[in-house]
Order: sequence, then structure tokens, then C-alpha cells
Amino acid sequence: DAKTTQPTSMDCAEGRAANLPCNHSTISGNEYVYWYRQIHSQGPQYIIHGLKNNETNEMASLIITEDRKSSTLILPHATLRDTAVYYCIVRVRDNYGQNFVFGPGTRLSVLP
Amino acid sequence: NAGVMQNPRHLVRRRGQEARLRCSPMKGHSHVYWYRQLPEEGLKFMVYLQKENIIDESGMPKERFSAEFPKEGPSILRIQQVVRGDSAAYFCASSLGADDQETQYFGPGTRLLVL
Repeated sequence: DAKTTQPTSMDCAEGRAANLPCNHSTISGNEYVYWYRQIHSQGPQYIIHGLKNNETNEMASLIITEDRKSSTLILPHATLRDTAVYYCIVRVRDNYGQNFVFGPGTRLSVLP
Repeated sequence: NAGVMQNPRHLVRRRGQEARLRCSPMKGHSHVYWYRQLPEEGLKFMVYLQKENIIDESGMPKERFSAEFPKEGPSILRIQQVVRGDSAAYFCASSLGADDQETQYFGPGTRLLVL
């Protein structure tokens, strides 16, 4: 089972910031938070990941709360091409080291 | 720098036939993962391989499914005697290593349709 919970869907106006929340209250101290998105059944696209500090790259920013129980992915200026399903993932640690468990994600619709 | 490549992109099989899905990881990556996505569902992990070794096959169905990643050539996901329920998108991902910071990069997927 996924270790994260996300809203099922969200809308955002084109040009505005899209803020996608994720709860991961059972996260362990050494587990990273990853964000991927999937545009219309294409392969998932890596966006960003972080451990405890806020992270920013050319695609997005990741804000992780101090207690690490939740995070927010921010797309600063959403475009129509950002319409996708966004997955927040906490990597599962097991005897083999790693595994991505995808939940249902958040379906973001960017509206003109 | 080519990304993860999968072929074929679309595959149609009749019930009882075999399906072979291929995945070439990104250059320099020696870790490969297969995921399956049923219609309107999220991705489900199937198997994790390194060169010539299956590391974790906890997500693989017990029968008819097998995977390999030979020393030379692509990783192969093989489905024998396909049934309609095998119709899905199959995604391959690769990573450079296996520690907690290693990002998995996904291919475009193979869409299998079983008639």
C-alpha cells in the first residue's frame, strides 16, 4: 500500500501557481519523498525529490514540513501542458533496498 | 543521451499467445524495474533486476510471467499464454544505483492488448 495520501483532483488556472499537497505521516527519518507526473498515459516523468530540506529545480519546488509528515509540490506558473496525474511517493525500504509504491495520485487540470 | 527505451510501443496478442516486452535502460544504468498499469489505475511494481540477477520479484504473478536482464542486451518481460486480464500498459524504469537517492527514470511503456 502507498504510504502517502493526496487529493483525488485539483484545478488550477493557467499562469497561476499550482500547489499539490501530500501527506506522509508514517515516513521514516531516512526515507525520501519523490514526485512524478504522468501525462495522458505516457511514462511517469520524474519531477523532484527531497529528504528534509526544501528543494527547487527547473520544473518545480518541493516544500517539506519540519516534522516531515507532509509536503507540497509547487509548479510556479502552471501551463496547459502541466495537466497530468501527479504522484507523491515515499520510497519503501525493504530487504532489497527500494521500491516505488504508486498511489492513485492527484489529477491536476490546468484551465485556460 | 537517450532515455529508457521500450519496444514495441503497442502489442496485440490473442489469448494463449506469448508476449515479449523489451526494455533498454539509460546508458550506464544497471538497475531495471518493471511496473504494470491497468486501465484507470496507478502503477504496480512487478520486478527489480540487475544485470543477470533478479533482486526482487515480489510483484510478479506466480505463473506465466518471467523477467530477465542478461549481461548483453535489453531486459525482457515475458508473458506466456496471455489472457485478457493481462491487457495493460507495462512500464520499465532504470536507475544508476540502488540507494535511497537513486531516481528511477521511466520509459514510454508498452501497451499490451489481448484479444
